[in-house]
Amino acid sequence: EVQLLESGGGLVEPGGSLRLSCAASGFTFSNYAMSWVRQAPGKGLEWVSVISGSGMTTYFADSVKGRFTISRDNSKNTVYLQMNSPRAEDTALYYCAKDRGPGLTTFCDCWGQGTLVTVSS
Amino acid sequence: EIVLTQSPATLSLSPGERATLSCRASQSVSNYLAWYQQKPGQAPRLLIYDASNRATGIPARFSGSGSGADFTLTISSLEPEDFAVYYCQQRSNWPRTFGQGTKVEIK
Repeated sequence: EVQLLESGGGLVEPGGSLRLSCAASGFTFSNYAMSWVRQAPGKGLEWVSVISGSGMTTYFADSVKGRFTISRDNSKNTVYLQMNSPRAEDTALYYCAKDRGPGLTTFCDCWGQGTLVTVSS
Repeated sequence: EIVLTQSPATLSLSPGERATLSCRASQSVSNYLAWYQQKPGQAPRLLIYDASNRATGIPARFSGSGSGADFTLTISSLEPEDFAVYYCQQRSNWPRTFGQGTKVEIK
C-alpha cells in the first residue's frame, strides 16, 4: 500500500525558515516525481513544486520561486520542502503527493494527509 | 500562467441526478487536464487524467471529456458519497495550475 507521511509543519515567523518532510513507502520511490500542493484554510488547491525521480529537475510556482527549494533523498524515500522567508500568505496545509507518471505529469494519484504551516509573528 | 475557470461554483443536486461540471482554460492545454475530488477533512483524490482516462479504482459513473480549452466532468448518477468539491488541474504549461473548484452539494 502506498503511504505518504508529511511532517515538519508548525508555527514559523515571517522571514524565518521551516523544512517539511514527506516519508514515502509502498512503491519504488526513485521511479516517481513528487509534488507539494498546498491549501490555505477554506480555500482551493495551489500547486507549489515538483521534483523528478532522480532529483535533477525541479519546478516551482511563481509565488514561491526563489524562497522555497525542493529536494529528495532516494536512499531514505523522503522528499523535502525547504521554506525560506515565509510570508503570511504561505499559511496552508501542505500536501505531499506522488506523480502517477511517467515523468513529471504532476497528476498525483496518491496524497498524504498534509502538514499545517502557520506563518505568524 | 494558465488560468482554469470552473463553473458553476456550486451545483445543488439530488442523489441519482446527473452532474455536469465545466473547466475552461485561458489557452489550449491539449488534453492535459485532470479532475480531483476532495471531501471535507480529506486529501484530494485523482479521478480523471489526460481529460478522459479514469484513474485506478474510479467508478464508471465518472467520465471526463473535452480538449483544447473546454472540459467537462460528468457524474452520471450521483451517489451519496459523491457530494464533495471537484478541482481541475492542467499539466500543459509551467507552472501547473488548479481551477478554483466546484462544490457539488445535496439539494
